[in-house]
Amino acid sequence: SQTIHQWPATLVQPVGSPLSLECTVEGTSNPNLYWYRQAAGRGLQLLFYSVGIGQISSEVPQNLSASRPQDRQFILSSKKLLLSDSGFYLCACERTGQGEETQYFGPGTRLLVL
Amino acid sequence: AQKVTQAQTEISVVEKEDVTLDCVYETRDTTYYLFWYKQPPSGELVFLIRRNSFDEQNEISGRYSWNFQKSTSSFNFTITASQVVDSAVYFCALTPNFGANNLFFGTGTRLTVIP
Repeated sequence: SQTIHQWPATLVQPVGSPLSLECTVEGTSNPNLYWYRQAAGRGLQLLFYSVGIGQISSEVPQNLSASRPQDRQFILSSKKLLLSDSGFYLCACERTGQGEETQYFGPGTRLLVL
Repeated sequence: AQKVTQAQTEISVVEKEDVTLDCVYETRDTTYYLFWYKQPPSGELVFLIRRNSFDEQNEISGRYSWNFQKSTSSFNFTITASQVVDSAVYFCALTPNFGANNLFFGTGTRLTVIP
């Protein structure tokens, strides 16, 4: 089974600073990868997904961007953080192939923008 | 449009009681998957079950059971003989169409099991 790593676990950043969150996956090849954000006390919102290297789809207009430089690496970035970017960021991995349509989640990164 | 509703925001039960978490969904698609995830205080979402729209058979896994009824668009989750370790936020989710890329989540139900 796959293992999903997220780094860092916790981050406190000032408004206007850049951001880079990393997600790496082990135990599977060519997965679909996802970034979700969970605001405090809320459900999960899909931000980006990727079906392959260099292929990024954005679900909502925002201050963030994503990249997939390697098959099992997914990065969430921002050039200038906003207060509203605070939240819990979760990376998810889905194996490709019929019958594999289940997303498994990493441990998450808690981001606080001050 | 897809929508998942978890009307119960918070539930508290005493240990060993049974508890049912409700989930109602909306979709125009005839093929879809339904999911339940558990989010303990650590924050990580733990996958519990996936059910496809063609399979209405109820499922039991230990103390957990799921009741899928297409007629009422519901996918309810029951924990039997609840334990303190069951305390968490539980999310119901929907993926319309097999192979689609978006999980639509409900807002979650926070379950507290009191010892």
